Amino acid sequence: GAVVSQHPSRVICKSGTSVKIECRSLDFQATTMFWYRQFPKKSLMLMATSNEGSKATYEQGVEKDKFLINHASLTLSTLTVTSAHPEDSSFYICSAEGTSGNLTDTQYFGPGTRLTVL
Amino acid sequence: AQSVTQLDSQVPVFEEAPVELRCNYSSSVSVYLFWYVQYPNQGLQLLLKYLSGSTLVKGINGFEAEFNKSQTSFHLRKPSVHISDTAEYFCAVSPTSTGGFKTIFGAGTRLFVKA
Repeated sequence: GAVVSQHPSRVICKSGTSVKIECRSLDFQATTMFWYRQFPKKSLMLMATSNEGSKATYEQGVEKDKFLINHASLTLSTLTVTSAHPEDSSFYICSAEGTSGNLTDTQYFGPGTRLTVL
Repeated sequence: AQSVTQLDSQVPVFEEAPVELRCNYSSSVSVYLFWYVQYPNQGLQLLLKYLSGSTLVKGINGFEAEFNKSQTSFHLRKPSVHISDTAEYFCAVSPTSTGGFKTIFGAGTRLFVKA
């Protein structure tokens, strides 16, 4: 089946630095990707919807300048956490939507990226 | 707006016993319904989904769920659990108008299967 990858799977950085997380659809084209954040023992919170070639749509309460999203191609979306702080430590998960068939059959989640900010 | 309530944060159960994980939702528009499983430090895996048609939906790993529109519920069941079913389970909804992709998740239920 379709696969979505994320890189890196785990990252540790110092406070104040920026971290980029990649989300790739490996064998299908994803016109839309979604970014979620999961706090420990909590549910997933939708952060933003990323559309190829256009600006991302952010959910209420999510800082656009803090979490930069770029969807440069049909197989790649990136999330950059700028000037990271310890409170940004979390598990970030992306999902990708296919471009053909029944759309609700083709949403796939990546394995997640664990970000730890020291 | 949509919301999802998973009534139990943790469900301990003995191996080979049946289990039901409860999910209720609220929405002013029609929604698709999903159950996902998450193993430790991993992403999400789709267990099953309800789009339309039969209200009893069968998924992977022997799980099934029943959509009850009048009670706005979508409870997940398995007649006999295994140790390997220990994981976090998420109920989720998505407005049909978005094609089913703007998914709103419940808080999750941790299923713990004991030997």
